[in-house]
Amino acid sequence: AQRVTQPEKLLSVFKGAPVELKCNYSYSGSPELFWYVQYSRQRLQLLLRHISRESIKGFTADLNKGETSFHLKKPFAQEEDSAMYYCALSGRGGANSKLTFGKGITLSVRP
Amino acid sequence: KAGVTQTPRYLIKTRGQQVTLSCSPISGHRSVSWYQQTPGQGLQFLFEYFSETQRNKGNFPGRFSGRQFSNSRSEMNVSTLELGDSALYLCASRDNLSGANVLTFGAGSRLTVL
Repeated sequence: AQRVTQPEKLLSVFKGAPVELKCNYSYSGSPELFWYVQYSRQRLQLLLRHISRESIKGFTADLNKGETSFHLKKPFAQEEDSAMYYCALSGRGGANSKLTFGKGITLSVRP
Repeated sequence: KAGVTQTPRYLIKTRGQQVTLSCSPISGHRSVSWYQQTPGQGLQFLFEYFSETQRNKGNFPGRFSGRQFSNSRSEMNVSTLELGDSALYLCASRDNLSGANVLTFGAGSRLTVL
């Protein structure tokens, strides 16, 4: 079974502070990991995926297979980062492509 | 390209009724997935369709069903509605040709069951 755990529901930080949103997963195989974001009154959208190894809006996430984690990090939070963040996992290809989401975490960046 | 379109955006039903929600994927996308989003449970996978065939199914009762048409448009149906079915139902499409397992979501259909 595939499972994604986001242990915290809410993270509140001041502007300019570092941010780390935690994500742990369970999957027997080689997963694909993603972070999706939902800003207020906007659609759920992809933020980044581990395969791309890219930085989007200053966010990065490294897949740690030993710790089965995919934490999302940003060194200096901005107010516009306030949103709901979901970590997600899928297998590779065909019938394994189902995307399983964690329950999400609300990031609040205060001025 | 137009995004993923879901209709209706809002609807109110009473217990025992049934509802049909529609989703038009991005042109060229052949895979459509449905999710139920609630404050308590987050995003829960309902089912995925590809080329008119259900490829994956979540752990929802048989009251939840879906289908996909030859033009890739998809519908989901919920029969004998219960209060707990009140949720935002999200549809997402995927470009299978690119090989990237990335979902593009619609705005959702918000169902309220009274």
